[in-house]
Amino acid sequence: SQTIHQWPATLVQPVGSPLSLECTVEGTSNPNLYWYRQAAGRGLQLLFYSVGIGQISSEVPQNLSASRPQDRQFILSSKKLLLSDSGFYLCAWSVVGTSSSPLHFGNGTRLTVT
Amino acid sequence: GDSVTQMEGPVTLSEEAFLTINCTYTATGYPSLFWYVQYPGEGLQLLLKATKADDKGSNKGFEATYRKETTSFHLEKGSVQVSDSAVYFCALIWTDKLIFGTGTRLQVFP
Repeated sequence: SQTIHQWPATLVQPVGSPLSLECTVEGTSNPNLYWYRQAAGRGLQLLFYSVGIGQISSEVPQNLSASRPQDRQFILSSKKLLLSDSGFYLCAWSVVGTSSSPLHFGNGTRLTVT
Repeated sequence: GDSVTQMEGPVTLSEEAFLTINCTYTATGYPSLFWYVQYPGEGLQLLLKATKADDKGSNKGFEATYRKETTSFHLEKGSVQVSDSAVYFCALIWTDKLIFGTGTRLQVFP
């Protein structure tokens, strides 16, 4: 069966520090991969999605970036965090090429920028 | 562009009450529709889905019917439990992108 791992679960970082959140998927090949952010009391915002290695689409301009160095690995990064980057970050995967395929989410990373 | 609109919460109910959470969508194509649930401190879990008009998704006593004529996908449950307290997200997927509503918090009291 497929599983998705996301870490760390919680993170407290000072303003201006770098960020690296990692997500890996097991049990499937060539998945679509996604990063979402959920700000406190708000809905989910799609940040990045990837349909293959090295292919990243950005939905919202910001100081975050994403990379997909391997088929089932998706990394969210920042060189310098802002206070507004605080939130709950969720990684997800879905089956490629199936418009009805649901997304499967990791347990999320709660990031607090101080 | 494509979008999803949900009723604002919180929705507060007593145990065994009937639940409806409204969801409407705007889409250029023929999306699949989903309801996700997020329990406190956790990620999102798929609750149910419908892939075409008139489809009814159901799971754990929850139901939602894909209504193309009203572009709606309202979530219903006949008798809620305290354990149903969570945030519920309506979503659509089209061309591999999942677009969420803002979520509706449900609070069920004994």
